[in-house]
Amino acid sequence: EAAVTQSPRSKVAVTGGKVTLSCHQTNNHDYMYWYRQDTGHGLRLIHYSYVADSTEKGDIPDGYKASRPSQENFSLILELASLSQTAVYFCASSGGLGQDTQYFGPGTRLLVL
Amino acid sequence: GQGVEQPDNLMSVEGTFARVNCTYSTSGFNGLSWYQQREGHAPVFLSYVVLDGLKDSGHFSTFLSRSNGYSYLLLTELQIKDSASYLCAVRETGNTRKLIFGLGTTLQVQP
Repeated sequence: EAAVTQSPRSKVAVTGGKVTLSCHQTNNHDYMYWYRQDTGHGLRLIHYSYVADSTEKGDIPDGYKASRPSQENFSLILELASLSQTAVYFCASSGGLGQDTQYFGPGTRLLVL
Repeated sequence: GQGVEQPDNLMSVEGTFARVNCTYSTSGFNGLSWYQQREGHAPVFLSYVVLDGLKDSGHFSTFLSRSNGYSYLLLTELQIKDSASYLCAVRETGNTRKLIFGLGTTLQVQP
């Protein structure tokens, strides 16, 4: 069974503060992704990575940075949190060629005040 | 325009069936996935299809027509616990493994 964990599971942050969301996978997958989910927008891709020490911009990268220090770990960083970044954030991982299923972590509920 | 479209809501009755529709228009196509998402939980993978036709997986079956940009997820012998959101996601061509998600269809199964 695929295993993707996220921390924290929920967080309250202040506007302008720094927030780091962490993701860890034990699937030995090359690909990792960060999504946000909002009512009316569904799941949207923020950043992704297909190898350690490299990240790529997704569809809505503005205001977010990502870091992939190892195959297992992928972080999402909000340097200056804003009210509009209140959302549920999901991390996912998938394998290489022929292993296209994305396995999702439990999500982090972020509230920016 | 480009995107993945699903109806917002669907209602059905326990013991019968439900068909969740998905239409897509994307830059290239390299497979379509269905996920189930319960309120407050993560999406859970159900099925992946890349070839036309019906893929029967028991309780969940999926159909794909690439020429029409259309897929459906068929749930048979519905149970109350099948009440959830069902997400359709299309993988575009390329090396990114990116998925384009629809907004999801909320299925309510009534007794």
